[in-house]
Amino acid sequence: QKEVEQDPGPLSVPEGAIVSLNCTYSNSAFQYFMWYRQYSRKGPELLMYTYSSGNKEDGRFTAQVDKSSKYISLFIRDSQPSDSATYLCAMSTNAGGTSYGKLTFGQGTILTVHP
Amino acid sequence: NAGVTQTPKFRVLKTGQSMTLLCAQDMNHEYMYWYRQDPGMGLRLIHYSVGEGTTAKGEVPDGYNVSRLKKQNFLLGLESAAPSQTSVYFCASSYSIEGLNTEAFFGQGTRLTVV
Repeated sequence: QKEVEQDPGPLSVPEGAIVSLNCTYSNSAFQYFMWYRQYSRKGPELLMYTYSSGNKEDGRFTAQVDKSSKYISLFIRDSQPSDSATYLCAMSTNAGGTSYGKLTFGQGTILTVHP
Repeated sequence: NAGVTQTPKFRVLKTGQSMTLLCAQDMNHEYMYWYRQDPGMGLRLIHYSVGEGTTAKGEVPDGYNVSRLKKQNFLLGLESAAPSQTSVYFCASSYSIEGLNTEAFFGQGTRLTVV
């Protein structure tokens, strides 16, 4: 079983919809949680990160972490065709120190927002 | 800024051939990584480096070697390519500030096919 599980989709929604993307994890040592966005044939780019449980909002994006359930989510409000991409959750066992920024990724969810 | 640059972008190898993938970053980052991305598997860490002259194994290191002779460059070598090494390879770099890891910046990827 992978340490981080993410539904690969694909997920197809109409423009303007609210999108919910989720990951579960098994390693309780994960403390640093990120969402990366990857456009087709490009490298991943950091979208959001958080060090703790709770919500973090940035424009149309909200990242949510529930450490007690080992569950993280990314919500996209008013989705746009330009949001069409693969979304990858990623985690690290330490916010610094000996983790050296190494990341464990989920499988990625392919999202398509159609006009 | 170029950020993280990978060379080459595409390559087709025959089984048993060798090759080196080059990663160069111009951000003076301490940490560098090589990941591979396969369908349904997300990104998996192959090797990483926490500074010039240092390397360490990641999750899937078998069949690969790395070197970091200069801080800005991180090379990934395949000594005897196998079809199982067909993948998209991503290089990334990051650094820590005040003990906290920062985001990882990724290159555009190298698409390798081994026939």
